[in-house]
Amino acid sequence: GENVEQHPSTLSVQEGDSAVIKCTYSDSASNYFPWYKQELGKGPQLIIDIRSNVGEKKDQRIAVTLNKTAKHFSLHITETQPEDSAVYFCAASYNADKLIFGTGTRLQVFP
Amino acid sequence: DTGVSQNPRHKITKRGQNVTFRCDPISEHNRLYWYRQTLGQGPEFLTYFQNEAQLEKSRLLSDRFSAERPKGSFSTLEIQRTEQGDSAMYLCTSRRTDYGNTIYFGEGSWLTVV
Repeated sequence: GENVEQHPSTLSVQEGDSAVIKCTYSDSASNYFPWYKQELGKGPQLIIDIRSNVGEKKDQRIAVTLNKTAKHFSLHITETQPEDSAVYFCAASYNADKLIFGTGTRLQVFP
Repeated sequence: DTGVSQNPRHKITKRGQNVTFRCDPISEHNRLYWYRQTLGQGPEFLTYFQNEAQLEKSRLLSDRFSAERPKGSFSTLEIQRTEQGDSAMYLCTSRRTDYGNTIYFGEGSWLTVV
């Protein structure tokens, strides 16, 4: 079955700096890769997703890149703000059924 | 609010009691999914439905767990004879398969077994 590894587990950056979170997956059949932001006590919030027919996707300060050959995908947040502080999860799946999540990255943005 | 709705949001129960959670998906979404998230971990898949048919169940879903979606709209997740290890957040999501893969989660239902 699919296995997703996520690094780093914690990440501290200064406000305005960039943050990068990396994930690797094992199942080459996976074709859908969402990223979620989770704040304390709340459900995961979808922030961006990418499908396997695309190598990169951007939405304002957030971008995701996918390398199908190497089976890894990354989340890039530029110009970080204190409100970006949260736990971020990557996930992989085939057609969005049965998402397999990484272990999470706690991002702290210091003013 | 047109998102996924879950009730109750919080439930504290004594070990051995039964609990039921309800999920109201986004209207016209034919697929509905249940996940479980324990503290410090990512969500884990439990089961999913295509309309009223349960298509897949995880091995995490022991015999004490049962999920239904009787009319293909809302779904319930029942846990019988709760154990302390059942303490977690139970998350529901839904999607419409002809609209693509995007998965939006509800706010979840917190279960604490004491």
